[in-house]
Amino acid sequence: AQKVTQAQTEISVVEKEDVTLDCVYETRDTTYYLFWYKQPPSGELVFLIRRNSFDEQNEISGRYSWNFQKSTSSFNFTITASQVVDSAVYFCALNGRGSEKLVFGKGMKLTVNP
Amino acid sequence: GAVVSQHPSWVICKSGTSVKIECRSLDFQATTMFWYRQFPKQSLMLMATSNEGSKATYEQGVEKDKFLINHASLTLSTLTVTSAHPEDSSFYICSARRGYGTEAFFGQGTRLTVV
Repeated sequence: AQKVTQAQTEISVVEKEDVTLDCVYETRDTTYYLFWYKQPPSGELVFLIRRNSFDEQNEISGRYSWNFQKSTSSFNFTITASQVVDSAVYFCALNGRGSEKLVFGKGMKLTVNP
Repeated sequence: GAVVSQHPSWVICKSGTSVKIECRSLDFQATTMFWYRQFPKQSLMLMATSNEGSKATYEQGVEKDKFLINHASLTLSTLTVTSAHPEDSSFYICSARRGYGTEAFFGQGTRLTVV
């Protein structure tokens, strides 16, 4: 079975704080893909990153960074110097080997206050 | 990124009527399209997976006669909510992918209200 756990349901921070969103996944596949999506209040999910199971390099994109640790089955997402525009629900997702479907976590609502 | 267009973005209909929602991938051919339902403050619930030219695969508990999905081409899928009832009111989202391992792109979502 495949599963994605986002243990945090809601986080509230003040602008310019750093915040880390946790994602832990379960799969028996050796080949898989992991994703993060952002869902702002408008509702449309926005793709942020894709990572395959063989690439454990951390990724940085501007204020966003991702830490992939196969040893702990985690794919955490850090926002540095958060801004009000980062307020959204963030979803982590897993795509197991050969599957068409993405398995989503329950999402984590981030509120960044000015 | 790729664009997936979903229409309408919101619709209000009377109980007992049917509503059709369209999902188009505008700049790539989507081998697979998905339909989700999202309740307030909840995650995405996958309703069905559709491949062009074949019948949709519905998730357990989703009524295939109520939620009709047609995937007529590699760029268009439609979801028809038949004989809608107030409990069908929800946020419906489509997504499209090129295939395994690729990112899914999502439509803007459709907020359906049945009165």
